[in-house]
This record gives sequence, structure tokens and C-alpha cells, in this order.
Amino acid sequence: RKEVEQDPGPFNVPEGATVAFNCTYSNSASQSFFWYRQDCRKEPKLLMSVYSSGNEDGRFTAQLNRASQYISLLIRDSKLSDSATYLCVVNLGWGKLQFGAGTQVVVTP
Amino acid sequence: GAVVSQHPSRVICKSGTSVKIECRSLDFQATTMFWYRQFPKQSLMLMATSNEGSKATYEQGVEKDKFLINHASLTLSTLTVTSAHPEDSSFYICSAREARGEYTQYFGPGTRLTVL
Repeated sequence: RKEVEQDPGPFNVPEGATVAFNCTYSNSASQSFFWYRQDCRKEPKLLMSVYSSGNEDGRFTAQLNRASQYISLLIRDSKLSDSATYLCVVNLGWGKLQFGAGTQVVVTP
Repeated sequence: GAVVSQHPSRVICKSGTSVKIECRSLDFQATTMFWYRQFPKQSLMLMATSNEGSKATYEQGVEKDKFLINHASLTLSTLTVTSAHPEDSSFYICSAREARGEYTQYFGPGTRLTVL
């Protein structure tokens, strides 16, 4: 079993629509959580941290459920520029990050 | 935000040669740098943690004699893939963590290695 598991997608989303997807993690001692986005053949870039109370950054909303060990990301009013692979990332401590393989989102006109 | 550079961005080499990849933090001091590898459609996998002035810590399954890491200064870490083989072809990405503050990791743009 993968330590950070994500639905690979692709999620095909019409422009302006809402899309949501989850990730699950296996290490209950994980300290902090993030969503990164990765464009094709580029490095990952931090999208947002994920807090227990849930947090929002513009059109992006992240939720964390420690009891069930899953994290979600919701994108509202999708833009064409949101097309990317979204990586769920778990911090095990001491800077050690575990990455999911990513969920691909394709926003269509 | 902080900037991390990698050089080269792309390298194609023959089997058996060694390849050195540099990772630099351009506007901050990084006591710790991390080296990752990503195969197509797979997640980034941590290879090793590099601390300035000390030996790198390698993840299980990563050969330290094949992937030589040197972190000689607070702004530079190098990864040398020795005697590269086609199965070493991958996307190598480094990240650097600031020596102070929130310890955010900043990723370099990656190096695409193709071994023929």
C-alpha cells in the first residue's frame, strides 16, 4: 500500500465548475500537510498548507481529517490555468516530505 | 519567494558515465537540502537528506556509493550519479530548507537525466 494515496484522474472539469478530490495517508504521526501543484515536466510548487480546521485560499479550499487520515482539495470556479497535477504532501517531521503520485485535473473550455 | 536553482536542467549521457547535478539556494542559506527522484507518472521519492558539513542520510534502497552527495556550503549541494545506466534516467529535483524561520522547503526546477 502506498503511504500517500491519490486518485490519479484525470478529472475533466468544464471551465467555471467545481472539482474536489481527496488523498489518504498511512502514517498517523504525520505532522503537517500540504497541497502542491506540478505542471508537466516542472518542479512542484506549494499551493497551500492544510490545517485541521480547514482553510481557504481564494478559490481553493483544503480540509484535513486526522481521524480518517485524509485530506481534500476543492477548486471552485475552475480556470483553464488550474489544469495541472495536484500533489498531496505529508510532512513526517525533520523536513521529510512524502508525496502522493498526484491527481491530474484538466479544465476544458 | 526564495529561489533554488539546479544545473544542468537537462542532460543526456552515455551509459557508464558520471553526471553531476548542482543545487543552489540563491537568496537564502540552506542548512538542509533534499534530493528527490521522480519517474514518469509516479510520485517524488526522497533519495537523501543533505546537511551542510556532514554526511548525507540516504533513504532505504538508495545506494550511497552510486548517488554521491556533497553539501560543502550553505548554498550548494551536488548530486553525482556515478556510472549511470538507463534505469537511472529520471527527473531529479532538489529542495532547500531555510536555516531559520518556518523551514519552508523550496524546490529547484529539476534536472532531466537521460542515459542512453
